Amino acid sequence: ETGVTQSPTHLIKTRGQQVTLRCSSQSGHNTVSWYQQALGQGPQFIFQYYREEENGRGNFPPRFSGLQFPNYSSELNVNALELDDSALYLCASSLGRWGNNEQFFGPGTRLTVL
Amino acid sequence: GDSVTQMEGPVTLSEEAFLTINCTYTATGYPSLFWYVQYPGEGLQLLLKATKADDKGSNKGFEATYRKETTSFHLEKGSVQVSDSAVYFCALSGNTGGFKTIFGAGTRLFVKA
Repeated sequence: ETGVTQSPTHLIKTRGQQVTLRCSSQSGHNTVSWYQQALGQGPQFIFQYYREEENGRGNFPPRFSGLQFPNYSSELNVNALELDDSALYLCASSLGRWGNNEQFFGPGTRLTVL
Repeated sequence: GDSVTQMEGPVTLSEEAFLTINCTYTATGYPSLFWYVQYPGEGLQLLLKATKADDKGSNKGFEATYRKETTSFHLEKGSVQVSDSAVYFCALSGNTGGFKTIFGAGTRLFVKA
């Protein structure tokens, strides 16, 4: 059974650029959630995709967008990068969209915005 | 809105000491409660969970009891090991059937040999 994988591991961008982060969910999981984790903080919920549809989002602006593909892998896109977007971005997959299902996290993508 | 507050770290203990990490929450309805752990260099992983009041979650010697009257979910372990050194996150989700998971800020634990 393959766990959750994310790419790239690290990324450096400059303010105003756009970035795409990728996530492959655990085999059999149909739900992917994305989180932003600033240094020394807990993960903050960005949005969730369930069977290719956005199932809900947290308090993030529209320049944070995503996709889920038929194989349930997912992308997080961030436009017009700001310095405060520097963080660890985590992807988590689960079976089913309800919050009380166990989530399996990937190792994260460390984004640095200069 | 819903929120989670956990004790600030770092917490430093000697091996075989007793561990308590406090966690309290604010939520309407009946959320599920979780403890996640992040070992150095690894991703977050579920440690234990409880889905209703008075439930006790347990795993790897850790346990936590869902206390609705005090809105708490404190993590305990009777005898910590060096390998327990990690960051521990309390979280809630699934409130009234919702999907969002809300995490606390995390508590770093150092265990000395």
